Amino acid sequence: GQNIDQPTEMTATEGAIVQINCTYQTSGFNGLFWYQQHAGEAPTFLSYNVLDGLEEKGRFSSFLSRSKGYSYLLLKELQMKDSASYLCAVLDSNYQLIWGAGTKLIIKP
Amino acid sequence: GAVVSQHPSRVICKSGTSVKIECRSLDFQATTMFWYRQFPKKSLMLMATSNEGSKATYEQGVEKDKFLINHASLTLSTLTVTSAHPEDSSFYICSARMVFGAGDTYEQYFGPGTRLTVT
Repeated sequence: GQNIDQPTEMTATEGAIVQINCTYQTSGFNGLFWYQQHAGEAPTFLSYNVLDGLEEKGRFSSFLSRSKGYSYLLLKELQMKDSASYLCAVLDSNYQLIWGAGTKLIIKP
Repeated sequence: GAVVSQHPSRVICKSGTSVKIECRSLDFQATTMFWYRQFPKKSLMLMATSNEGSKATYEQGVEKDKFLINHASLTLSTLTVTSAHPEDSSFYICSARMVFGAGDTYEQYFGPGTRLTVT
């Protein structure tokens, strides 16, 4: 079966750095997405990785290792507004998005 | 960027009535639209995938006669919850995808969601 694992909840301090991991086992791989979702709102796109390596976009970076079935989202200089759920999703061989359950990130002052 | 609108944002209806939710891609043509349902503190659950001009493909366990999906044009898809019951209360989110060809990321653009409460 297809499976995506990410931690349920993480806590970090304002100004710090946090890394949210995602591991996946899917039928095929055509890319991995990270989305941010604030409570009561729809997800918003953060990043897309299809090749191994690190993609940096401002305070957010995303890393992919296809051989390990592993990705992480790195958030630097955390702000209170970064408190949200972060969803990992993999595009499988049928170009369907397989969603992780999301990681709730709590930022403390 | 690509914008997807959803209407209404909130709806309260009585048990037994039907509710229609619209999803529109405002500045692009969406060859494929997706309907998701999300329970509190849970991840997105794909209900169905619809391609313009063809019947929607429903995920296992989703009643096609209860959740009617119409994708009549490249910019509009509708989800009708028929004979709604309190257990249908949820956050419904649509997304749209445009496909250009080789190298496309298949990114989905999400609407703002519709919170349905059935009393």
